[in-house]
Amino acid sequence: RKEVEQDPGPFNVPEGATVAFNCTYSNSASQSFFWYRQDCRKEPKLLMSVYSSGNEDGRFTAQLNRASQYISLLIRDSKLSDSATYLCVVNFVYNFNKFYFGSGTKLNVKP
Amino acid sequence: NAGVTQTPKFQVLKTGQSMTLQCAQDMNHNSMYWYRQDPGMGLRLIYYSASEGTTDKGEVPNGYNVSRLNKREFSLRLESAAPSQTSVYFCASSPGLAGKNEQFFGPGTRLTVL
Repeated sequence: RKEVEQDPGPFNVPEGATVAFNCTYSNSASQSFFWYRQDCRKEPKLLMSVYSSGNEDGRFTAQLNRASQYISLLIRDSKLSDSATYLCVVNFVYNFNKFYFGSGTKLNVKP
Repeated sequence: NAGVTQTPKFQVLKTGQSMTLQCAQDMNHNSMYWYRQDPGMGLRLIYYSASEGTTDKGEVPNGYNVSRLNKREFSLRLESAAPSQTSVYFCASSPGLAGKNEQFFGPGTRLTVL
């Protein structure tokens, strides 16, 4: 079983829509959680860290549910520029500081 | 701050040639990583260095070697390149500290092996 699982999509949504991605992780000892964004053939870039209390950054909201071992990302008022692949990432800082990446969820925002 | 830098950006090799991919970070991070990403696929960990002086194999280490030269630099060597190693190679680093441990990536090296 993969450490991190995501729906690959693609999610095709119109501009202005709200879209949500979920991701599940298998190891309950996971310590840190992140969402990254990757544009085609570019390096992944940190979108936001995910905290147990939930956190928001503009149009983006991330939630962590440790009991159910899933992480979510909500994007409100989608823009064309949000089109990208979104990667869910889990970290074990006390286990050689390893990071585990989901395979990514592709988002296409249409005019 | 340049963040994570990688050289070269592009490289074409013939089968059997060797080369070293260079990576450096100026964020005083403890941990560094090498990943490869094939078209339409996710990231796969090749090797990592949790702290200066240590290196460990990741998911796909065969055909590669690494050197953690110092805290800033982590190089990846292909001793005898094969077409199956055609890929985009990303280097990354992270602080290695609980509570604030994001991973930052370099721009990648696009390698083609003919």
